[in-house]
Amino acid sequence: GAGVSQTPSNKVTEKGKYVELRCDPISGHTALYWYRQSLGQGPEFLIYFQGTGAADDSGLPNDRFFAVRPEGSVSTLKIQRTERGDSAVYLCASSLTTGELFFGEGSRLTVL
Amino acid sequence: DAKTTQPPSMDCAEGRAANLPCNHSTISGNEYVYWYRQIHSQGPQYIIHGLKNNETNEMASLIITEDRKSSTLILPHATLRDTAVYYCIDKGHNRKLIWGLGTSLAVNP
Repeated sequence: GAGVSQTPSNKVTEKGKYVELRCDPISGHTALYWYRQSLGQGPEFLIYFQGTGAADDSGLPNDRFFAVRPEGSVSTLKIQRTERGDSAVYLCASSLTTGELFFGEGSRLTVL
Repeated sequence: DAKTTQPPSMDCAEGRAANLPCNHSTISGNEYVYWYRQIHSQGPQYIIHGLKNNETNEMASLIITEDRKSSTLILPHATLRDTAVYYCIDKGHNRKLIWGLGTSLAVNP
């Protein structure tokens, strides 16, 4: 399809495990964003890429969270030593240099 | 913290206009007003944005007051599929969006 694709759609893991979430942005979109959303809350900014580089990672909650976008297209959000508080829907969005964000359907992470 | 404030919930009858208000008490001159909505279990969807003039597209109309301290999103003929959480956001050159809790709109048959 032509939209933003996120995999997996659901991930259940145990506390302490490592998790990777993948985002395929819309082709040609140079900007890519990661947000996370807890139940009943609005999305919370995590990190923004312009091309391959992280232009703003001020939303990453701690050093267990890391994201990469090595070729300026696909991005991976990596979470080490997961905690129950990391349970949320992780949303990816992409955009052209300006303008609206196009979101994927999200990856629901549950840490038991 | 979010810069905008919205009522937590609203109801609208199917086929009627839904008018969703937003207060932008701290909006600055170079910030745009953006509206998104999020249908249950889906990612947010862009609706419309504007700077100071009223805007209309195929989804909605956006009314921004002259002082830009408030805006109203208008869905002219609401349908059941418009039931969603609606977010208004002030967006400047800083790329990250700060989201509030939005307004949960229920369109009733």
